[in-house]
Amino acid sequence: SYVLTQPPSVSVAPGVTAWITCGGHNIGSKSVHWYQQRPGQAPILVIFYNGDRPSGIPERFSGSNSGNTATLTITRVEAGDEADYYCQVWDSATDHVVFGGGTKLTVL
Amino acid sequence: QLQLQESGPGLVKPSETLSLTCTVSGASINSNTYYWGFIRQPPGKGLEWIGSIYYSGTTYYTSSLKSRVSISRDASRNLFSLRLRSVTAADTAIYYCVSVARDAAGPCWVGPWGQGALVTVSS
Repeated sequence: SYVLTQPPSVSVAPGVTAWITCGGHNIGSKSVHWYQQRPGQAPILVIFYNGDRPSGIPERFSGSNSGNTATLTITRVEAGDEADYYCQVWDSATDHVVFGGGTKLTVL
Repeated sequence: QLQLQESGPGLVKPSETLSLTCTVSGASINSNTYYWGFIRQPPGKGLEWIGSIYYSGTTYYTSSLKSRVSISRDASRNLFSLRLRSVTAADTAIYYCVSVARDAAGPCWVGPWGQGALVTVSS
């Protein structure tokens, strides 16, 4: 089955840029979607189709996808961005929705 | 506005069947725009996709649960349901019902999500 690999944690200071990666075999050929999950809340979509933002998501959130790595980029990180972030793809070979293991973003 | 709401028992005994219902408002589950599904999250852990159902009735299940899980739909009440048989403590989790957007290639992103329902497996 298709596997997505994320770093367990990323820590940054407020105001700087955070990069959260999502690795998968030839992931650049797939559409990658990203979710933010704050403690005690359901996840929300922050990036879809690799780099598109749903309405209401700040421009500080962007995404890219190429080769074997997709990346969620958060510029000018704020305390309110502290959350778990998950990448997700649809694996057409198995008809499965696949999530990465999640990355905890800590704002120092 | 599309909204989903889970309902069902919060406590299930080991070896019994976990049953959850998801009521959909703001869209018809007969729509070919969405898949409808369930995702779970054990306490302190990541997201695990359980399965989905399409308006045609076609279902997709994750391999690890396929022998124990079924998802069905009731178009007359605009809801869909999850049944997970022979549960153990490892099935304790928050269960989310979700819509999955669809494009020409098939399912794509997940959302919106229900608020989630904590189901504990314990005697």
